[in-house]
Amino acid sequence: RKEVEQDPGPFNVPEGATVAFNCTYSNSASQSFFWYRQDCRKEPKLLMSVYSSGNEDGRFTAQLNRASQYISLLIRDSKLSDSATYLCVVNPREGTGGFKTIFGAGTRLFVKA
Amino acid sequence: EAQVTQNPRYLITVTGKKLTVTCSQNMNHEYMSWYRQDPGLGLRQIYYSMNVEVTDKGDVPEGYKVSRKEKRNFPLILESPSPNQTSLYFCASRSGEDYGYTFGSGTRLTVV
Repeated sequence: RKEVEQDPGPFNVPEGATVAFNCTYSNSASQSFFWYRQDCRKEPKLLMSVYSSGNEDGRFTAQLNRASQYISLLIRDSKLSDSATYLCVVNPREGTGGFKTIFGAGTRLFVKA
Repeated sequence: EAQVTQNPRYLITVTGKKLTVTCSQNMNHEYMSWYRQDPGLGLRQIYYSMNVEVTDKGDVPEGYKVSRKEKRNFPLILESPSPNQTSLYFCASRSGEDYGYTFGSGTRLTVV
């Protein structure tokens, strides 16, 4: 089982739609979680951190469910500019003091007019 | 402007010819990391560093070396590149373990 798993999609949605992505992780000791977006052939860019209480940034809402070991990203009122690949990121917090960061393979979103 | 700078952006080299990809950040971040990205495999961590002179292996360290002699620089060294190291490479930095990474623009490496 992969340490971080995402549905690769693609998700094809019309402008204005609400779309949600989930991401599951295998290490129950994971401490911090993030969502990034990546445009084609560009570097990943931090979209938002994911907090235990859930957090919102404009049209974007992130949630963490520790019991079921998944995080989610909800995008409301989708825009054409939201078309990208969304990467789920987990810091598993190794016991040796090292801090790996593990990326999911990404979920592709296409928003069409 | 706060940024991570990688060089070169594009590189074509031959098997066995040593190369270095440079990475520099101007944000005084302690943590730095190298990733490679391949189709269908996503981003995989090669090496990471928690501070000057402190580095550790990621998931795919074979064939790579790194050094962290100064806080701002974290070069990636391929002593003897092979075609299976053809990939898109990203350097990234962050201020702490609970913060997200800022990425460089990437280096597209082709080994023939």
